[in-house]
Amino acid sequence: EIVMTQSPATLSVSPGESATLSCRASQSFTYYLAWYQQKPGQAPRLLIYGTSTRATGIPARFSGSGSGTEFTLTISGLQSEDFATYYCQHYINWPLTFGQGTKLEIK
Amino acid sequence: QVQLQESGPGLVKSSETLSLTCTVSGDSLINYYWSWIRQPAGQGLEWIGRVHSNGDTKYNPSLKSRVTISIDTSKNQFSLKLRSVTAADTAVYYCARSSASYYFLYWSQGTLVTVSS
Repeated sequence: EIVMTQSPATLSVSPGESATLSCRASQSFTYYLAWYQQKPGQAPRLLIYGTSTRATGIPARFSGSGSGTEFTLTISGLQSEDFATYYCQHYINWPLTFGQGTKLEIK
Repeated sequence: QVQLQESGPGLVKSSETLSLTCTVSGDSLINYYWSWIRQPAGQGLEWIGRVHSNGDTKYNPSLKSRVTISIDTSKNQFSLKLRSVTAADTAVYYCARSSASYYFLYWSQGTLVTVSS
């Protein structure tokens, strides 16, 4: 099983600034990584798949990168609606696993 | 617009079987993969397993001995059965759709299932 470890657990950033969220995999792979945004009481929302491809309707301020064991989600020019919890997920093999999440909070 | 909606008891007794059904509207189940994912309160997401429209299944090894996921394409539904539940199975349960690339674009709203002693 690939263990996905996200850091930091909580990130405090001011609106308008940028945030960089990290996701580390216990085994190396390329491409097969997705990112989700989740707000309280809601289902996760797909942001990024294939490491760097934005899902339909996702603003360009969200970008993904990485390969091997290190992956990154960058959010530029944070807006109020971006403060939420973010999860990474690999889909290279079974079982599919998610990271434990990074909570992005307003500084 | 694809929509997924879970149904089933919100309270299950310890040692019994948790049963949920996901009804899909707005598209057919054919040629997609349908998963169950759960999230204990304040915790991360755990993939439980998936079923293809042809009935093929894959399960998380951590739950495999207790899980059955089935599909009924005529009703546009798929189902989860989790046997011998304990308090550790208390969570919000989601159903979700993926293609052969197993990321999840469509999710249900989630349903809280509490296991009581």
